[in-house]
Amino acid sequence: QSVLPQPPSASGTPGQRVTISCSGSSSNIGSNTVNWYQHLPGTAPKLLIYSNNQRPSGVPDRFSGSKSGTSASLAISGLQSEDEADYYCAAWDDSLNGWVFGGGTKLTVL
Amino acid sequence: QVQLQQSGPGLVKPSQTLSLTCAISGDSVSSNSAAWNWIRQSPSRGLEWLGRTYYRSKWYNDYAVSVKSRITINPDTSKNQFSLQLNSVTPEDTAVYYCARGADYDSSGYYRPRFDYWGQGTPVTVSS
Repeated sequence: QSVLPQPPSASGTPGQRVTISCSGSSSNIGSNTVNWYQHLPGTAPKLLIYSNNQRPSGVPDRFSGSKSGTSASLAISGLQSEDEADYYCAAWDDSLNGWVFGGGTKLTVL
Repeated sequence: QVQLQQSGPGLVKPSQTLSLTCAISGDSVSSNSAAWNWIRQSPSRGLEWLGRTYYRSKWYNDYAVSVKSRITINPDTSKNQFSLQLNSVTPEDTAVYYCARGADYDSSGYYRPRFDYWGQGTPVTVSS
């Protein structure tokens, strides 16, 4: 069981909007910022969202992040086939004194 | 542009030591605003942070609880790189291992910690 539970899978059709949730606690999401990573098989994970809702240069504005209390979510609008990947949330955990990742959500574009 | 180049064996025998190196270009292992991390990915466990080394007037290390008794991460300032040693490996340590830069501040100077640059990944199999 991951420290940051995520739904194991999500799906949508091209053009749809999907959201992926990430649940935490007061020692991680509740007191620190959340980052999201996109992982395609055979490649290194890519930073998608940092500091809850900031997009690195080059990340399309179709991707957005939000945080409320001890939960966070990633939204992808205008779904495209190339968005099919695994998505992970991450936050620093003050109790564990380390980074923790969500279990990952496999997004399928139908 | 920061680049991280990993090297090390892809096959390790059970009970032996896994050793990987991550060479840094475009930044310094002694940076006062970055940390140098090892992260692994396996189908059963997803992404798992293993630990980091960083310099803030002196060297510090933080390690994940799950591997704390078996892991060492060392900086090498002469070669601008850092290394991972994981002792007493078992088949459960089979994974793709990544090094990653943990940046503290964004271009505006705000504290926004994140992993912004990653190595190419090294698949490691633990098997006899």
